[in-house]
Amino acid sequence: EVQLVESGGGLVQPGGSLRLSCGASGFMFSDHYMDWVRQAPGKGLEWVGRSRNKANSFTTEYAASVQGRFIISRDESKNSVYLQMNSLKIEDTAVYYCARAPLSNYGMDVWGQGTTVTVSS
Amino acid sequence: SYELTQSPSVSVFPGQTARITCSGDALPRQYANWYQQKAGQAPLMLIHKDTERASGIPERFSGSISGTTATLTISGVQAEDEADYYCQSTDKNNRYVVFGGGARVNVL
Repeated sequence: EVQLVESGGGLVQPGGSLRLSCGASGFMFSDHYMDWVRQAPGKGLEWVGRSRNKANSFTTEYAASVQGRFIISRDESKNSVYLQMNSLKIEDTAVYYCARAPLSNYGMDVWGQGTTVTVSS
Repeated sequence: SYELTQSPSVSVFPGQTARITCSGDALPRQYANWYQQKAGQAPLMLIHKDTERASGIPERFSGSISGTTATLTISGVQAEDEADYYCQSTDKNNRYVVFGGGARVNVL
């Protein structure tokens, strides 16, 4: 079964750090782009960033709102993708989803269940 | 930064047709993808590459593209289709991903 499972969410103070994990199973992990998408309470979907596939050297891109604060990495041996979040702001409070995409703009066809990050003092 | 603009929410009776549009300057060059999100659930891909239904998606969901506007059509709306719908694409250079603001379909 193709599956993505996120973990690592929680409560963190402004300025703090948190690392989210997304474990993949049931498919060739290195062949796929992996995206992080978030959704603030009562708001729409916001793309956070992506790691491209092996054929594209696992390069990364980030939304302007997180550039310089968030880092995406992958561990192919663990079929996992990570989102390191630093200098967290209250406005980073959201449900964070990981999603896979077969190619750059072919759609995100598998999503995890999401993990909740709350930034509050 | 690049933006996708979605039409406002729509209310329809069961059996009617609902249409949601998504406008973006790069849509003639970059595919539009569509997602459904029900309350408390993760998004579900409905349509990819402008017009292709994702695996297991009912035929009443269809996608089309004309110039800078992509359209999601739900023909014969059912009560279970009440949800938020999002379009998604990339900038003209296929580098950054963007989502539309979302549109709710209310089934009366």
